Amino acid sequence: ILNVEQSPQSLHVQEGDSTNFTCSFPSSNFYALHWYRWETAKSPEALFVMTLNGDEKKKGRISATLNTKEGYSYLYIKGSQPEDSATYLCAAANWGKLQFGAGTQVVVTP
Amino acid sequence: DTGVSQDPRHKITKRGQNVTFRCDPISEHNRLYWYRQTLGQGPEFLTYFQNEAQLEKSRLLSDRFSAERPKGSFSTLEIQRTEQGDSAMYLCASSYENTDLQETQYFGPGTRLLVL
Repeated sequence: ILNVEQSPQSLHVQEGDSTNFTCSFPSSNFYALHWYRWETAKSPEALFVMTLNGDEKKKGRISATLNTKEGYSYLYIKGSQPEDSATYLCAAANWGKLQFGAGTQVVVTP
Repeated sequence: DTGVSQDPRHKITKRGQNVTFRCDPISEHNRLYWYRQTLGQGPEFLTYFQNEAQLEKSRLLSDRFSAERPKGSFSTLEIQRTEQGDSAMYLCASSYENTDLQETQYFGPGTRLLVL
């Protein structure tokens, strides 16, 4: 069982500010790390799949980095907008199935 | 819309009743997963199929839970003799198996179950 932890549990961001938050996972037997965005009443949306140490991925104003040796990933949101309000989940892949963290709930206020 | 669909979106039932949920994956996907999410937690893995074969079941899945994917397309998750602790969001996801570790699971909107 992979123990995946996310921090903080929630954060409030002013529109236009940038923010970041963390996902930590066991560095041994690493396979892949996934990030999802989950808005209320919608399906979780896949953001990134990351596999290589030092990976950086970007989608619009959202980017993520991966450190497999120390077992953490950061997700960054640049110039937050109200539509970025969601719960951001990370998950470590374990032979196909995903082990999720509890998520970071982001609220962007105008 | 060719994404993953789930039916029903909401279900309220009385304790002791049986419920069945359906998941229709993205059509070319050969893998299908069920997860359960309770308040304040991330989704937890329940079971997965590759085509019609059920390859793994979590210890979370008691004998009251059964899942099928009879023709390797849609899947059903049945809970017998529901208990209040079964109240949760049940999520389905599908993927196409690939060998480069970049396999993405695409999720449906979930079925929210409330057991009274």
